[in-house]
Amino acid sequence: NAGVTQTPKFQVLKTGQSMTLQCAQDMNHEYMSWYRQDPGMGLRLIHYSVGAGITDQGEVPNGYNVSRSTTEDFPLRLLSAAPSQTSVYFCASTRGQGGAAFFGQGTRLTVV
Amino acid sequence: AQRVTQPEKLLSVFKGAPVELKCNYSYSGSPELFWYVQYSRQRLQLLLRHISRESIKGFTADLNKGETSFHLKKPFAQEEDSAMYYCALNIGGAQKLVFGQGTRLTINP
Repeated sequence: NAGVTQTPKFQVLKTGQSMTLQCAQDMNHEYMSWYRQDPGMGLRLIHYSVGAGITDQGEVPNGYNVSRSTTEDFPLRLLSAAPSQTSVYFCASTRGQGGAAFFGQGTRLTVV
Repeated sequence: AQRVTQPEKLLSVFKGAPVELKCNYSYSGSPELFWYVQYSRQRLQLLLRHISRESIKGFTADLNKGETSFHLKKPFAQEEDSAMYYCALNIGGAQKLVFGQGTRLTINP
């Protein structure tokens, strides 16, 4: 049972490039979300989804897009990378309200 | 606004000593609080949730609505408790978590 799988683990982008961070879960969880982790700031919610076809913005959504075409997958797209998006990104999934969030191993992104 | 504050970025205690990691929150609704832990080279994982009122790995946490706190406690620290600890507040049924800044706990032998 893989749980939540994120790819890639590391990525370096040039300013202005676009890319997609992949997230997949095999636990049939309804809820999925993306967070970014910056030094001294904990994790901040970027976007989240309550089910296939339904997404919404979190605290820091600017510069990111998401879609949820299937229950399993929740990709995060950076439209035009900026140095301010250098961070560690975590994907999480949750079975339902009040449940534990299961996290991926993280993607360390550097924008130069 | 919703906020979670962990006042200690770093906490160092000796093995066998009591540990308390502080967490305070600000939220107008009924709070749903969690402690997550990240051990070295492992992914973030749930340690405790207030609704369960359970003890995991010897840790307990009690929600104090009067003081808006959810401090994590363990009476006798062990070296394997060294990790990064995050307090988190769920502000939406869809598991919208607001995290504190985290406390790095180091247990000295």
